Amino acid sequence: QVQLVESGGGVVQPGRSLRLSCAASGFTFSSYGMHWVRQAPGKGLEWVAIIWYDGSNKYYADSVKGRFTISRDNSKNTLYLQMNSLRAEDTAIYYCARDKDYGGTYFEYWGQGTLVTVSS
Amino acid sequence: QPVLTQPPSSSASPGESARLTCTLPSDINVGHYNIYWYQKKPGSPPRYLLYHYSDSEKGQGSGVPSRFSGSKDASANTGILFISGLQSEDEADYYCMIWLRKAGVFGGGTKLTVL
Repeated sequence: QVQLVESGGGVVQPGRSLRLSCAASGFTFSSYGMHWVRQAPGKGLEWVAIIWYDGSNKYYADSVKGRFTISRDNSKNTLYLQMNSLRAEDTAIYYCARDKDYGGTYFEYWGQGTLVTVSS
Repeated sequence: QPVLTQPPSSSASPGESARLTCTLPSDINVGHYNIYWYQKKPGSPPRYLLYHYSDSEKGQGSGVPSRFSGSKDASANTGILFISGLQSEDEADYYCMIWLRKAGVFGGGTKLTVL
């Protein structure tokens, strides 16, 4: 069965960096687009970034563009989110999600999420 | 402010129906977009429910009951999630989403209370 397990969350000071990982199993990772979606405490869902199945295309929400980088290692079945210049408003549960296709359809499977807290 | 407008809350009794709306801004024609719907319960990841483009182009998520269906109201530039035969486990937050210029855009979500 499809499994997505996020890791790397924690407490970090404003301006610092953090890298999230998402270990995938139960499917051919290299065939699917992958996403990061977040939910701040008491707020709604916010799409963060997408990477196509082969890493050829990456797109970001305006709120993270220039600060966050999505990447993947298909040999390790792992998705990453490098988060730099973190702000308090980046505090959220970060979910990785598998696309239905190579990229840009819908989020078919989700991980349980990892909490990132940006605070001094 | 989210681009897609959803009422913050809605309520209905068990067995009744709920109609949740997702209104697009006037410069984005609902007829040109797939409207995706997700369900979110506290402590759980979101769950994909369905998408609706037209009556002939739509899709249901795996294991999602047929009680959940989508539609559009072109005159109101709105996507609609309809839930019939409400059950207590349908109490959740519901989010609509579209792809806009290669970016995913969620609505602010509607908290559905099943009284």
